[in-house]
Amino acid sequence: ETGVTQTPRHLVMGMTNKKSLKCEQHLGHNAMYWYKQSAKKPLELMFVYNFKEQTENNSVPSRFSPECPNSSHLFLHLHTLQPEDSALYLCASSHDAQNSNQPQHFGDGTRLSIL
Amino acid sequence: GQQVMQIPQYQHVQEGEDFTTYCNSSTTLSNIQWYKQRPGGHPVFLIQLVKSGEVKKQKRLTFQFGEAKKNSSLHITATQTTDVGTYFCAGRSSGYSTLTFGKGTMLLVSP
Repeated sequence: ETGVTQTPRHLVMGMTNKKSLKCEQHLGHNAMYWYKQSAKKPLELMFVYNFKEQTENNSVPSRFSPECPNSSHLFLHLHTLQPEDSALYLCASSHDAQNSNQPQHFGDGTRLSIL
Repeated sequence: GQQVMQIPQYQHVQEGEDFTTYCNSSTTLSNIQWYKQRPGGHPVFLIQLVKSGEVKKQKRLTFQFGEAKKNSSLHITATQTTDVGTYFCAGRSSGYSTLTFGKGTMLLVSP
């Protein structure tokens, strides 16, 4: 039990589908993150939300759309994805994204496969 | 932008042997964190180093932060099969608000 819960754990979708990934944290944190983890690549930061405000968008294609309705929940809406988007999508949280001394707590991830 | 290089990418050792992974940055880091990801799992925070030349120990794991705060290492003494996983360093450069992760070092330990 990490305190950060991601659903679904696995997702297979076609390129024309629309789906959403969900992340919920029970740690009382104010910052939430989406990362993409592909084989042989470093963890790629996609989006950062701090106190519900998006503070970082690392040149992520518009087919990925984040939503943060409150400090405990984070969504990643997916639309018209490409095969190269197949990866493990990890959600993380920390106390405050502006405080560099805080560790990040990761969820188990959603393994996404695009057909 | 920030770049954190980590070597080696992969190491296979016999149980009982030592293991070291190195992390290097072209810019000075305000702090560095280490994470471990077991196969099929998610990254788990191990430790953070903040001070120049800092050394911290966790049982068989020794973490060092270089004097110039541009490099760091993780050393495992007498590896065990439970040490299997990928070890990531993550650093934050001055002027940047987010962590940059290295590619990680995958450690395999044979019994």
